[in-house]
Amino acid sequence: KAGVTQTPRYLIKTRGQQVTLSCSPISGHRSVSWYQQTPGQGLQFLFEYFSETQRNKGNFPGRFSGRQFSNSRSEMNVSTLELGDSALYHCASSQDNQETQYFGPGTRLLVL
Amino acid sequence: GEDVEQSLFLSVREGDSSVINCTYTDSSSTYLYWYKQEPGAGLQLLTYIFSNMDMKQDQRLTVLLNKKDKHLSLRIADTQTGDSAIYFCAEFGAAGNKLTFGGGTRVLVKP
Repeated sequence: KAGVTQTPRYLIKTRGQQVTLSCSPISGHRSVSWYQQTPGQGLQFLFEYFSETQRNKGNFPGRFSGRQFSNSRSEMNVSTLELGDSALYHCASSQDNQETQYFGPGTRLLVL
Repeated sequence: GEDVEQSLFLSVREGDSSVINCTYTDSSSTYLYWYKQEPGAGLQLLTYIFSNMDMKQDQRLTVLLNKKDKHLSLRIADTQTGDSAIYFCAEFGAAGNKLTFGGGTRVLVKP
């Protein structure tokens, strides 16, 4: 099976812009989670989607949003970008209600 | 709330064993994981252990869990230069369907 894929792999934006990141889970996986990794805060949970519904949300401002499509692919959007949003964004997928999460290669976002 | 802590750095000689330690606070964790991250890469799942187990062995990797002390360790036997990376401990289940990660332990393997 192909692993989790994320696009784009690298992205440069300027403050105030918005960005959309995409994630395709492992075939058959219906749960998709997003995490942000920064040097200062480490790895932090953003949100988790299962069957197109957000099941769990981390402690991030409303500028961070996501969605999941009927084919389980997921997108996350960050509006009004700030310098502090520069990070490696991880997507992870897992099977129905199973706990083992497999990660993609990540999308590195740089906000200038 | 949940919290996971790890030491920052470990240096080991090639061929020796490495032991990476992790502590967590929430006893309702159901699974505990070890992930490996190489520079510029995503997180690679190494192994995991269910919270009612004490030990799990997987080739060169041995995971030990002391649930009473909320202490998890990962032992890598015969450490190789390719094992140089950041290792993250994570727990699942304490706060819903999400992983809570430690800060990562940077392992440097010296020839």
